[in-house]
Formats: sequence, C-alpha cells, structure tokens
Amino acid sequence: NAGVTQTPKFQVLKTGQSMTLQCAQDMNHEYMSWYRQDPGMGLRLIHYSVGAGITDQGEVPNGYNVSRSTTEDFPLRLLSAAPSQTSVYFCASSYSGRETSAYNEQFFGPGTRLTVL
Amino acid sequence: GNSVTQMEGPVTLSEEAFLTINCTYTATGYPSLFWYVQYPGEGLQLLLKATKADDKGSNKGFEATYRKETTSFHLEKGSVQVSDSAVYFCALSDRNTGKLIFGQGTTLQVKP
Repeated sequence: NAGVTQTPKFQVLKTGQSMTLQCAQDMNHEYMSWYRQDPGMGLRLIHYSVGAGITDQGEVPNGYNVSRSTTEDFPLRLLSAAPSQTSVYFCASSYSGRETSAYNEQFFGPGTRLTVL
Repeated sequence: GNSVTQMEGPVTLSEEAFLTINCTYTATGYPSLFWYVQYPGEGLQLLLKATKADDKGSNKGFEATYRKETTSFHLEKGSVQVSDSAVYFCALSDRNTGKLIFGQGTTLQVKP
C-alpha cells in the first residue's frame, strides 16, 4: 500500500492564482481530512469528509473548497490564493469518521509546502 | 470548546536523559488522547494513544497515561536517543465527530 499520497510536494503561487492540492489514499478509509500547519499553531483542520459525497467544514475553511467524489480522493482547492495561505498542508485518513472514529489512528501524507507571493 | 495545551519548546536534552513533555486538555465528554511525532521533512505518525481514563499508551519506549482528574496526558521516556529528535504533538479526538484537535507541538532536540 502507498498509504496517503499528496501532490505536489512544493508549490509557489502568486496572489490571486488558483490551484488544487491532490490527496489520495489506497486503504479504503472512509474519513479524510485536510490540515494546515503553521509555526507555533499546531495543525488546524480545514475541511473533512466522512465518506464519498459528504464534506464538512473544520476550524479554518475560508478560502478553501473540497469535494469527495470517490472514496480514494479528496482534493483541496484554493480559489484565489492569498499570502495568509502560505503554509504546509497535510492530508490524513482513517478507517471511519463515525462512531468508532475517536479510537482510530489518522494516517498522514507527507505534506505540501505552499508559498503564496 | 475542546483544546490542547503543550509545554513550550524547544526542549534540548543530552542522549540518555529523561524526557517529559507536558500536555493538558479541555474537553466536554470523554475524548481519546494521542501523541503524534513528526520527523524532519515528514508527515505525522501516531506514537501512542489512550481511549479512556487511566489507560497507558506506550510505544518505542515512550509512555503516557490518561489522567482524567488532572486532564493531562504527559509524554515520558526514560532514556532519549538522538533519533528521537522530532516535533511531538498532543491531540484529542472528539468522540462524536472524530475530529482531531492538536496542541501547538513541542520540538525535541537530543544531542550526543
């Protein structure tokens, strides 16, 4: 199994540009999520999904869109990039987002380092 | 709301020293508690977890005990190695939604 994969590893954007960060998992996990990591702030949840066709907002959703058309893929879209979105983005997945999810390990991808100029 | 507070870093230790990284939480209900580790240039990996009060999670020589009375989940290791140098994150999982709430992370540097 490849686990959780993310592309690209690095990206530089200009203010106002749009792009999609890709995330895929091959573990048949129902629950997928996106976090951003900023110095001194830990990881903050952007959006999450408990299954195909179902998404919800996390702690910091503004400026980001997601969709979940398949179990495997959970892309994150930046609609109009801003310097405040400069961060490292992590995708994660776990077996279930429902009642047993509290007990389940989340598996993280290697991250995408995004710089917005 | 739910939150996690970790001790400030960085923490610098000599090899074979004893490690404690403090973690306290605020939560409604009974969350599950986790320690994740992030090695340089990598994503987070689960180090250990505890799902109910008085549970002890352990892995790779690290331990943490779920203390409901003090709302704490301190990470300990009796003898650290240079290879333990990493960022350590304490986290809780909301039992209803499965969302993870992270502390700010503590950087550990172990010198030979």
